[in-house]
Amino acid sequence: KAGVTQTPRYLIKTRGQQVTLSCSPISGHRSVSWYQQTPGQGLQFLFEYFSETQRNKGNFPGRFSGRQFSNSRSEMNVSTLELGDSALYLCASSLSRDRGNTGELFFGEGSRLTVL
Amino acid sequence: AQKVTQAQTEISVVEKEDVTLDCVYETRDTTYYLFWYKQPPSGELVFLIRRNSFDEQNEISGRYSWNFQKSTSSFNFTITASQVVDSAVYFCALSPYSGGSNYKLTFGKGTLLTVNP
Repeated sequence: KAGVTQTPRYLIKTRGQQVTLSCSPISGHRSVSWYQQTPGQGLQFLFEYFSETQRNKGNFPGRFSGRQFSNSRSEMNVSTLELGDSALYLCASSLSRDRGNTGELFFGEGSRLTVL
Repeated sequence: AQKVTQAQTEISVVEKEDVTLDCVYETRDTTYYLFWYKQPPSGELVFLIRRNSFDEQNEISGRYSWNFQKSTSSFNFTITASQVVDSAVYFCALSPYSGGSNYKLTFGKGTLLTVNP
């Protein structure tokens, strides 16, 4: 069973640019969550999508946005990049909260963004 | 607001030693989930365990064991007879139990475990 796939794995951008990161969840998983990991703030929740709808949102500015497609693949976008946006962006997928679901999140290896 | 504290930033042990990673949490929810994840150098977070707040039974899985004590808001993780492959950053996390929000995890800052041969 293929795991969560994130692309690109590494990227370098300059301040002011925008970036789009992609996440393909495990087949059959309908929930996709995004997390930002930095040395200073640690792992922080960005948002979660289920069936193309944003269900939860963390405390990030509007420059951070996302969407989910009908095949459950998700993208997140960061506009007007700042130096502080340099981070590892992790995507996680999970089944919905149906009976028998463990609620386990399966994470991808992340997209490492460097903003210069 | 939810909060997870992992007071140990780094731990270094020699192979075959037992090691306990501490986790203390704060939440106003009466029901919630607690998790432990392992992050090897590759960056991927690997799920280790999920525990419901209403299930205080300790759990053992091979060399891993978890001690959940609701009275002290702690969910500690012990590795018995540690191995070099256990070297990683370990995260404790907390999420609401209510439907739809259980994917919003609050993570601790992590504990870097180094197991030396």
